Amino acid sequence: GESVGLHLPTLSVQEGDNSIINCAYSNSASDYFIWYKQESGKGPQFIIDIRSNMDKRQGQRVTVLLNKTVKHLSLQIAATQPGDSAVYFCAEKAAGNKLTFGGGTRVLVKP
Amino acid sequence: SAVISQKPSRDICQRGTSLTIQCQVDSQVTMMFWYRQQPGQSLTLIATANQGSEATYESGFVIDKFPISRPNLTFSTLTVSNLSPEDSSIYLCSVDGTVQETQYFGPGTRLLVL
Repeated sequence: GESVGLHLPTLSVQEGDNSIINCAYSNSASDYFIWYKQESGKGPQFIIDIRSNMDKRQGQRVTVLLNKTVKHLSLQIAATQPGDSAVYFCAEKAAGNKLTFGGGTRVLVKP
Repeated sequence: SAVISQKPSRDICQRGTSLTIQCQVDSQVTMMFWYRQQPGQSLTLIATANQGSEATYESGFVIDKFPISRPNLTFSTLTVSNLSPEDSSIYLCSVDGTVQETQYFGPGTRLLVL
């Protein structure tokens, strides 16, 4: 079977509750940040992005918060659903269009 | 967003052989990227492939092991050569979005080396 997320930290959340996934990034020169969702057997899927000149951006049921002072990024998922069960990765982009990925967090939604 | 396909979706190979992975995009893109995702881990960039020039490899990845072709603006291949069990991973291609700065990923190729 698929081994994505096998060794990653796991966040267990009750269906209907809010989820918060955290990410520490490394490069203070990064100016663009992305959250991806990776389901078993699939490639990473874009969720939401944020530029470094913003500290908050909202999408449908998701919010990304950026704290450049401490180089911290978070993804909030409102009213978590079973379909939200996946591995979530943050990624940062500095010069050269190269993405650097964080370690990932596995989200497990309990019914 | 771009629609990206990869072939094969998965394969089982014997050590010492090679596997070539194809990546096809439904629109012309300048930059294509190849990543490796080892079991239970995050994604690591192998190289950036631009049409008409040599691929640019990241630290720890070399052309002899991971030769890349980029014959046109919609297609690229990654070959994983002289396979060993340590090469068992998911290999993903991605492209830059035309409107957003984000990258879009293909479904990945799951490689198991015996």
